[in-house]
Amino acid sequence: NAGVTQTPKFQVLKTGQSMTLQCAQDMNHEYMSWYRQDPGMGLRLIHYSVGAGITDQGEVPNGYNVSRSTTEDFPLRLLSAAPSQTSVYFCASSYSSGTGVKAFFGQGTRLTVV
Amino acid sequence: AQTVTQSQPEMSVQEAETVTLSCTYDTSESDYYLFWYKQPPSRQMILVIRQEAYKQQNATENRFSVNFQKAAKSFSLKISDSQLGDAAMYFCAYSLRSNDYKLSFGAGTTVTVRA
Repeated sequence: NAGVTQTPKFQVLKTGQSMTLQCAQDMNHEYMSWYRQDPGMGLRLIHYSVGAGITDQGEVPNGYNVSRSTTEDFPLRLLSAAPSQTSVYFCASSYSSGTGVKAFFGQGTRLTVV
Repeated sequence: AQTVTQSQPEMSVQEAETVTLSCTYDTSESDYYLFWYKQPPSRQMILVIRQEAYKQQNATENRFSVNFQKAAKSFSLKISDSQLGDAAMYFCAYSLRSNDYKLSFGAGTTVTVRA
């Protein structure tokens, strides 16, 4: 059982380049989310999905796109990378039980934009 | 919008001693969850403990316990009998029951454990 798998683990981009961060989960969870982690700010929600075909914006969505064509995959696209997008990115998948949500996080992608 | 505040950027504790991490939050809602997550150097986010707001009893998980004060909007984490493996960054987080898959995090507290 792999849980939540993020690729790549590290990436360096030049300003203006585009790329896709991959996230896959094998737990059949309904909910998936992307967060970014910056020093002194904790994790902030970028985009989330409540099921295949359904996505919505979180707290800091600008500069990012997502899609959810399958339950398993939730890629995050950077359209034109900027130095302000240098961060650690986490993907999470969640399900609701009778006692509330249980979230599982990937190991993160450290992205540097130069 | 809900905000979560952790006022202690760093805490240090002697092995086998107790440390308490502070967290306050701001919300106008009455039905929500609170969490403490641990992030060791591996970057993996690990759920330590969870509290449901409608439960008055404080949650405990082995050496980890919380002091939940709903009226004061305070949610502190106590780590007892600290071990070297407890060294990590700890995040306090909040979610509404109605959309509990959306977490709001505090800025984190780095805990170091002295041998």
